[in-house]
Amino acid sequence: EDKVVQSPLSLVVHEGDTVTLNCSYEVTNFRSLLWYKQEKKAPTFLFMLTSSGIEKKSGRLSSILDKKELFSILNITATQTGDSAVYLCAVYLYNTDKLIFGTGTRLQVFP
Amino acid sequence: GAGVSQSPSNKVTEKGKDVELRCDPISGHTALYWYRQSLGQGLEFLIYFQGNSAPDKSGLPSDRFSAERTGGSVSTLTIQRTQQEDSAVYLCASSLAGVVETQYFGPGTRLLVL
Repeated sequence: EDKVVQSPLSLVVHEGDTVTLNCSYEVTNFRSLLWYKQEKKAPTFLFMLTSSGIEKKSGRLSSILDKKELFSILNITATQTGDSAVYLCAVYLYNTDKLIFGTGTRLQVFP
Repeated sequence: GAGVSQSPSNKVTEKGKDVELRCDPISGHTALYWYRQSLGQGLEFLIYFQGNSAPDKSGLPSDRFSAERTGGSVSTLTIQRTQQEDSAVYLCASSLAGVVETQYFGPGTRLLVL
């Protein structure tokens, strides 16, 4: 069965800290891995990764994929209270039309 | 509209009643997806539409769940004889055909079955 596992489930940090969120997967026919940020209800797209070792970066957020070890990390540097959210990882498979999501990591950033 | 919209935003119903949840995708998006998110869980895929047809209904949890899409636009998710375990946030997303990775999500409908 295809599955996506995220860790930690929950993380509490102070502003300015750097955090690393993990996503591992066991799937057949991997095509791409995506990261979403969910603050209230609607997840918003962050990154899509298809190739190993190529870092995607957007401001203080960055992500990288390791297709050999079957995982991805999402880094957030100099965290701010506005980064508080649930971060979702999802995998898209060839020959399907759906995303398989992990359970998410809940990040809380305190001032 | 600029984004995906869903209605109602919140729905409280009694066990055994039927509910209908509506999704209006982004104009021009031919692909539409329904997901369910239970408390503290990730998104669970329910059903996918390409145009008005649903090539993948594999995620529907029981025959009490059904969905339709008309005119290649609005979609309705119907839950018959609701149960307490149906309580969750139901999210809809849409994308351009063939670009399933970049799905745009609506704000969801929070369903509470008493």
